[in-house]
Amino acid sequence: EIVLTQSPGTLSLSPGERATLSCRATESVYSSYLAWYQQKPGQAPRLLIYGTSIRAAGIPDRFSGSGSGTDFTLTISRLEPDDFAVYYCQHYAGSNNFGGGTKVEIK
Amino acid sequence: QVQLQESGPGLVKPSETLSLTCSVSGFSISSGYYWGWIRQPPGKGLEWIGNVHFSGTTFYNPSLKSRVIISVDTSRNQFSLRLTSVAAADTAVYFCARRYYGSGNLYFDYWGQGALVTVCS
Repeated sequence: EIVLTQSPGTLSLSPGERATLSCRATESVYSSYLAWYQQKPGQAPRLLIYGTSIRAAGIPDRFSGSGSGTDFTLTISRLEPDDFAVYYCQHYAGSNNFGGGTKVEIK
Repeated sequence: QVQLQESGPGLVKPSETLSLTCSVSGFSISSGYYWGWIRQPPGKGLEWIGNVHFSGTTFYNPSLKSRVIISVDTSRNQFSLRLTSVAAADTAVYFCARRYYGSGNLYFDYWGQGALVTVCS
């Protein structure tokens, strides 16, 4: 079973700063099946990125995804107040596994 | 607009069976895709439970497989989750979601708002 490990667990940044979130898989994964979600307290997860780098409908271009093989990255170029949330990567390989999440908090 | 809504008891006793239903509107389950259940214990991350296709084909998380049944009712445009022999560790918010597949990509695109189920005597 492929396990996704996200780092760091918490990222403390100020609005306007750049956020770089990592998602590492225990073995090489199919990039078309790698997605990122944003979750705010009390809400359902929201699809941000799919196919490693394709922004979902309505997602601003300050969000970008990249990576291949075992290492994937979600980048938020300039944090806005609405971006402080928890972010999850997810991959399908028989099972639909989620990473443990990275919390982006206001510094 | 595709919308999903979970419903079911918010309190279940230990050793009993948790049952939830997801009602889908704006899209016919019979049109395709898989439909999934994901849960989130309080303060923790997301855990995939399983998926069902309108044909009845299912896939489950191996760690829960022995206790999970997911079924579909196309006439009502609903799918359901049954989790048997629950314990306190099954206390969580349970989400239903559509697992979209297209252009070679696969992801959960529409989610319900979530239903909190507490296991307590």
